[in-house]
Amino acid sequence: EVQLLESGGGLVQPGGSLRLSCAASGFTFTSYAMSWVRQAPGKGLEWVSSITASGADTFSADSLKGRFTLSRDNSKNTLHLQLNSLRAEDTAIYYCAKVEFSGSGSLDVWGQGTTVTVSS
Amino acid sequence: EIVLTQFPDFQSATPKEKVTITCRASQNIGTSLHWYQQKPDQSPKLLIKYASQSISGVPSRFSGSGSGTEFTLTISGLEAEDAAAYYCHQTSIFHTFGQGTKLEIK
Repeated sequence: EVQLLESGGGLVQPGGSLRLSCAASGFTFTSYAMSWVRQAPGKGLEWVSSITASGADTFSADSLKGRFTLSRDNSKNTLHLQLNSLRAEDTAIYYCAKVEFSGSGSLDVWGQGTTVTVSS
Repeated sequence: EIVLTQFPDFQSATPKEKVTITCRASQNIGTSLHWYQQKPDQSPKLLIKYASQSISGVPSRFSGSGSGTEFTLTISGLEAEDAAAYYCHQTSIFHTFGQGTKLEIK
């Protein structure tokens, strides 16, 4: 069974950092690009960042202004999202999603999400 | 940045009714447009990919059409379980999502 399991969310103060992880299983992780999508409370979906299958290329939403860094460990089938300089508006559920191809495409498998709350 | 605008923001319909949700792109994206369903307290689920391609396991009452800048998701024969938010998503240039359409079943 294809599965994505996010972890690392929690409560953090403004200006703080968090590292989110996504453990993948049930498919050949090294063959697929991966993405993070977030959803603020009561709001819609917002793309955060994507990484190609090899990890050579990453792409992030302009609105993040370089505060988030996406990486992957293909030896451990794990995706990581480093969140720095966190703001209240970063409060959201963060979903890890599998891309259907090695580069770009639809998001065909989603995790259950991990919640990040930025508050003092 | 490519902006996706969905119409309507909210729709209320009765069982067996046919519902159409529109997604308009700010520039030509070909058919790089996908649709997702998100039920309350659940993760999004892929419904349609590349504008009109069906997804295994998704009921046949869900269909998609369009290309360029105008796309539609149609639900033919609405069922109570279709109450959810629906999002379009483009992958022509990076990624963006539409703002979502909330569908209520009367």
